[in-house]
Amino acid sequence: DQQVKQNSPSLSVQEGRISILNCDYTNSMFDYFLWYKKYPAEGPTFLISISSIKDKNEDGRFTVFLNKSAKHLSLHIVPSQPGDSAVYFCAASLRRGGADGLTFGKGTHLIIQP
Amino acid sequence: DSGVTQTPKHLITATGQRVTLRCSPRSGDLSVYWYQQSLDQGLQFLIQYYNGEERAKGNILERFSAQQFPDLHSELNLSSLELGDSALYFCASSAMRGNEQFFGPGTRLTVL
Repeated sequence: DQQVKQNSPSLSVQEGRISILNCDYTNSMFDYFLWYKKYPAEGPTFLISISSIKDKNEDGRFTVFLNKSAKHLSLHIVPSQPGDSAVYFCAASLRRGGADGLTFGKGTHLIIQP
Repeated sequence: DSGVTQTPKHLITATGQRVTLRCSPRSGDLSVYWYQQSLDQGLQFLIQYYNGEERAKGNILERFSAQQFPDLHSELNLSSLELGDSALYFCASSAMRGNEQFFGPGTRLTVL
């Protein structure tokens, strides 16, 4: 049973436009959510996180939105840049920061077109 | 560079064998996590250690075990290897329980 789902395996966006990556979860006990970015042959890199008590968190070009009632979160990247091309993983934790391990989605491959 | 190191980078072995993967966390981080990334299952949490003690277990097989040493480095031991154990194994660390996790570059294990 997949508790964190990223339903779009890939997404293509033009450079300069907004990239929106989506994630759904089923476990209402999840308390903390994180986004990671991964390039080939590297480990995942932490991008941004959000606690379940908030509905938005912003860091530069990256904004994460959380809709608890819909069990849905999204990552917005504005403006999209060529270096943003990577696989993005949504992750959830029962505690802040994944103290008991993170549950990951299967990732969305973001391709930024010039 | 996350500051987390993993060795070896690649490992090729045969079914039935035993291997040890090594991880050094970021300086000062007390928590170490192990994850397995396979093609069909994605990234799955295996086990967590905090300051030498096991703190949480995920989908770790009984053939797998881990430990964290006094200098805080960790080892993941995989035994009686099967073809299906071929995967990328990532180690992550965090400063204390509850902080964001920082991942190493991974060890690619191939079981032939």
